[in-house]
Amino acid sequence: GQNIDQPTEMTATEGAIVQINCTYQTSGFNGLFWYQQHAGEAPTFLSYNVLDGLEEKGRFSSFLSRSKGYSYLLLKELQMKDSASYLCAVRDSDYKLSFGAGTTVTVRA
Amino acid sequence: AAGVIQSPRHLIKEKRETATLKCYPIPRHDTVYWYQQGPGQDPQFLISFYEKMQSDKGSIPDRFSAQQFSDYHSELNMSSLELGDSALYFCASSLGQGDSYNEQFFGPGTRLTVL
Repeated sequence: GQNIDQPTEMTATEGAIVQINCTYQTSGFNGLFWYQQHAGEAPTFLSYNVLDGLEEKGRFSSFLSRSKGYSYLLLKELQMKDSASYLCAVRDSDYKLSFGAGTTVTVRA
Repeated sequence: AAGVIQSPRHLIKEKRETATLKCYPIPRHDTVYWYQQGPGQDPQFLISFYEKMQSDKGSIPDRFSAQQFSDYHSELNMSSLELGDSALYFCASSLGQGDSYNEQFFGPGTRLTVL
């Protein structure tokens, strides 16, 4: 199974940068995903890492270190609409996703 | 672009009743996943199907069953409903299960309330 840890909550100011860390212990690793979820809505895909390194996608970047079982999601130039829950999810060798508990990010003016 | 469709969007049932949730994957997607998300919790994997065969099973109760049909849509059947079954049920679909990146696209979810 998977053991996925991420902080529960983070607060940041509009225009700032926030980094959400995710650590995992896995019995089989086949990629790490970050999803954004607004309350009561479906998770929406943000990023995917399967090799070590940084993937950049506009204001969002994600980093992976497989040897350390560690990833982070970097949100730059925060906007009020970025207030949401951010879910780290690890895909195992059976292509099943296991989600972390999510990090609730609150962006303040 | 077409997305994953789930029906119904909202469902209210009483204890011990049955419920059927439906999922229509993105066209040409052959893999369907079901997740249960309780209030304030992360999505928990229930079951998945690839090419109409069950491919993996997670924390799905024995009271629940699911299948994928020839047109790739899937149904989650829930019997003897309990209060604790009240949750958001998400369906996700993807294309294939190869080694390449295959993102799971989530549907809008069905909110089930058991009274």
